[in-house]
Amino acid sequence: ETGVTQTPRHLVMGMTNKKSLKCEQHLGHNAMYWYKQSAKKPLELMFVYNFKEQTENNSVPSRFSPECPNSSHLFLHLHTLQPEDSALYLCASSQARTGMYGYTFGSGTRLTVV
Amino acid sequence: AQSVTQLDSQVPVFEEAPVELRCNYSSSVSVYLFWYVQYPNQGLQLLLKYLSGSTLVKSINGFEAEFNKSQTSFHLRKPSVHISDTAEYFCAVKYNNNDMRFGAGTRLTVKP
Repeated sequence: ETGVTQTPRHLVMGMTNKKSLKCEQHLGHNAMYWYKQSAKKPLELMFVYNFKEQTENNSVPSRFSPECPNSSHLFLHLHTLQPEDSALYLCASSQARTGMYGYTFGSGTRLTVV
Repeated sequence: AQSVTQLDSQVPVFEEAPVELRCNYSSSVSVYLFWYVQYPNQGLQLLLKYLSGSTLVKSINGFEAEFNKSQTSFHLRKPSVHISDTAEYFCAVKYNNNDMRFGAGTRLTVKP
C-alpha cells in the first residue's frame, strides 16, 4: 500500500464516453498531481493542486477536466478522448508544493481509448 | 530549458554484477534530486533523494547515488544487483521554481 490509491486500475473507453479517474490519499499531504505516462517518454505533468486550488495546468486539452473537492481527493474527468490519450495516468501527492521530500505515487490507471 | 537526461534507455546486466544508471540535468542555482523505481503495473516509488549535505546518498536496498554539482549529474549505482532489481528507474530533479522534471526512464533488466 503506497498511501495513494487510484481507481480504477484499468479502464477501456470509447471516444464518445465520459468517465472519471479517482485518486485518494490519507497521508496528510497538501499538494496533489496528475501525470501522464506514455511509453518511452518522460512523465508529463498535467495538473497541480495545492490546498485544493489548481496552481498549474500544463496546456492540457479541455477533454481532461480535473476536480479537487478536498485535500485528500482528486479526480480526472474524461470525455471525448482520442486514441493517443491511451496511457498510464498517475496521481501523486506531496507534503508541500515544494515537494522537497519527494512525491508519493499511486499505482496508476491504465487507460485505453478505442 | 530545464531538462533531465537519462543516457541509457535500457541496461541489461547479469545477476551479482555492478550497475550504473546515468542521469544528467540542466544546471540551476539549487536543485533537489531523486531516483524513483517503478515495478511492472505499479506506480513510482521513491528510492533515494539528495536535498543537501553529503553528496553520497544511499537507499535501504543497496543503491547509492552521488550528486556531482560540477558535472550536473546524479548517477545511480549498485555494486551487486539481484533479479528483483529488474524495474524501470526514473531520475527526477526539483528545480527552485517548484517544477519537478522527470527523465524518460532506464529499464534495468537483471539476467540470471
